[in-house]
Amino acid sequence: QVQLVQSGAEVKKPGASVKVSCKASGYTFSNYGIIWVRQAPGQGLEWMGWISAYNGNTIYAQMLQGRVTMTTDTSTSTAYMDLRSLRSDDTAVYYCARDRNSVYSGNSWSSDNWGQGTLVTVSS
Amino acid sequence: QSALTQPPSASGSPGQSVTISCTGTSSDVGGYDRVSWYQQHPGKAPKLMIYEVTKRPSGVPDRFSGSKSGNTASLTVSGLQAEDEADYYCSSYAGSNSYVVFGGGTKLTVL
Repeated sequence: QVQLVQSGAEVKKPGASVKVSCKASGYTFSNYGIIWVRQAPGQGLEWMGWISAYNGNTIYAQMLQGRVTMTTDTSTSTAYMDLRSLRSDDTAVYYCARDRNSVYSGNSWSSDNWGQGTLVTVSS
Repeated sequence: QSALTQPPSASGSPGQSVTISCTGTSSDVGGYDRVSWYQQHPGKAPKLMIYEVTKRPSGVPDRFSGSKSGNTASLTVSGLQAEDEADYYCSSYAGSNSYVVFGGGTKLTVL
């Protein structure tokens, strides 16, 4: 079955960087895109961006442009999200999720399999 | 402030039906048939319930249905059950400026 397993919780100081990993299994990794979504404590979901595991193309949310980088390693079926210049309002649970449709179908802009989430706390 | 507007709360008794709305604009909900709904229980990851406005992933009960009229999408839960109590989020494709936007979420309470 499809599984996405994320790396563990992180505590960072303001101005630092964090890299969250998302290891996929149960499907052909390069056939699907991966999105990243975050959720601040007690708040709603925020779309951060998307990466194609097929060719590495990325789309980032405008408000994170310049601070976020998404990458994939097809040899290990792992996606990564790197967020720099951390601020206190970056404190959130970060989720990776797989596109519902493969790269060979039209993008449904929805995600049917999610990682368990990674809590990133930014505090001095 | 979220791009899509949802009521903060909704409720219904077991067996009843409840509808949650998700209002956007012609640049997102009204412009594309790419509305999704997610269910999230406390401390858990979101779960896809509806995609492309009306489609249900395998394994999602047919008590859950989606629709859209103009700039407003709706999720209807029929035959409410205790396990339906959760937060529900809508999302929509919003074109090549914003790509994907979410609603602020609706807390569904089963009375």
